[in-house]
Amino acid sequence: GAVVSQHPSWVICKSGTSVKIECRSLDFQATTMFWYRQFPKQSLMLMATSNEGSKATYEQGVEKDKFLINHASLTLSTLTVTSAHPEDSSFYICSAATGTGELFFGEGSRLTVL
Amino acid sequence: AQTVTQSQPEMSVQEAETVTLSCTYDTSESDYYLFWYKQPPSRQMILVIRQEAYKQQNATENRFSVNFQKAAKSFSLKISDSQLGDAAMYFCAYGNNNDMRFGAGTRLTVKP
Repeated sequence: GAVVSQHPSWVICKSGTSVKIECRSLDFQATTMFWYRQFPKQSLMLMATSNEGSKATYEQGVEKDKFLINHASLTLSTLTVTSAHPEDSSFYICSAATGTGELFFGEGSRLTVL
Repeated sequence: AQTVTQSQPEMSVQEAETVTLSCTYDTSESDYYLFWYKQPPSRQMILVIRQEAYKQQNATENRFSVNFQKAAKSFSLKISDSQLGDAAMYFCAYGNNNDMRFGAGTRLTVKP
């Protein structure tokens, strides 16, 4: 089946630094990519939806200047957490849609900000 | 905005028995998809079953089947012959090409 690769799977950074997480569809072109944040024992919270070549659509309450999303090609989307702080520590998951109702998830990235 | 509601935070089933997980959703769209995902401790999201809203026939996938009631906006998951490996968080999700939202999840425990 289709594969979505997300990395890094685990990153630790110092407060104030920026971290980039990549989401790549390996064997299909993703019309849309979604970015989620998941707190322990909670559901996936949609942060933003991105389409190739256009600006991401952010959910209410998500700071677009804090969480920069770039969808440069049909196979790659990146999430950059800028000036990270401990409260940004979380599990981030991306998913890629084929455009025919199929959705594939990356393995997730655990961010720890010290 | 579309919403997905799972009213059962936790469910328990005896091995080999059947369990049903509930899900309701709200949307004004006519064309969409519904999903059930399983999330084990590894946190990798695993697709269990998928239903296209325009199809009246309920989707089935081996021991997993759904009861899709479009008018009631209900989408329950039935797991038959439960196995220990079925224990996980289960998320109901609503999606179309530009939106994908999840319910709060149901933690399923399988008792040997």
